[in-house]
Amino acid sequence: DMKVTQMPRYLIKRMGENVLLECGQDMSHETMYWYRQDPGLGLQLIYISYDVDSNSEGDIPKGYRVSRKKREHFSLILDSAKTNQTSVYFCASSPLAEQFFGPGTRLTVL
Amino acid sequence: QQKVQQSPESLIVPEGGMASLNCTFSDRNSQYFWWYRQHSGEGPKALMSIFSNGDKKEGRFTAHLNKASLHVSLHIKDSQPSDSALYFCAVSRGSNTNKVVFGTGTRLQVLP
Repeated sequence: DMKVTQMPRYLIKRMGENVLLECGQDMSHETMYWYRQDPGLGLQLIYISYDVDSNSEGDIPKGYRVSRKKREHFSLILDSAKTNQTSVYFCASSPLAEQFFGPGTRLTVL
Repeated sequence: QQKVQQSPESLIVPEGGMASLNCTFSDRNSQYFWWYRQHSGEGPKALMSIFSNGDKKEGRFTAHLNKASLHVSLHIKDSQPSDSALYFCAVSRGSNTNKVVFGTGTRLQVLP
């Protein structure tokens, strides 16, 4: 059963703290993504990864960085989180075109 | 930069009715188009894709693409309460299937 997992599902952090969001997939997809979803803005692409250690900035990379050391695992890191990074974060993976999304992580930065 | 706009923002239809969702895009070089559906508390899930001008039908869902008018639409026939969700169109950046731009979404509510 094809699956994208995200941990944690909910997270509350204080401004200035570091945040690690983790994503896993069991489909051996080469391409993985991180998006954030805000009301009225749709899904905005933060980073895309084409394979291990092959990452590329998306449309809104500022304030974020990523790590992909294994094909099945893709992490999003917020160094010194800001209140405007409060959002729902989605990870996705793709074999070619269609994207498979995880359930999301709701991050609140106080 | 590719801009993708959806209308309406929200839509209410009665059970059994027809729901029509619209999407306009700005890049004439876009070649691949998808509709995604997101139920509350879940991640988006691909509903259907369309790559050629014209209609594509999958069950109760019909997608229509007109590249010349930069327009793609989704029509849901015989709408069910389970169709209530947030619908996104996703448009490729030129011929790049790896990178898409998502629209702002249409929230559909189907009333029993």
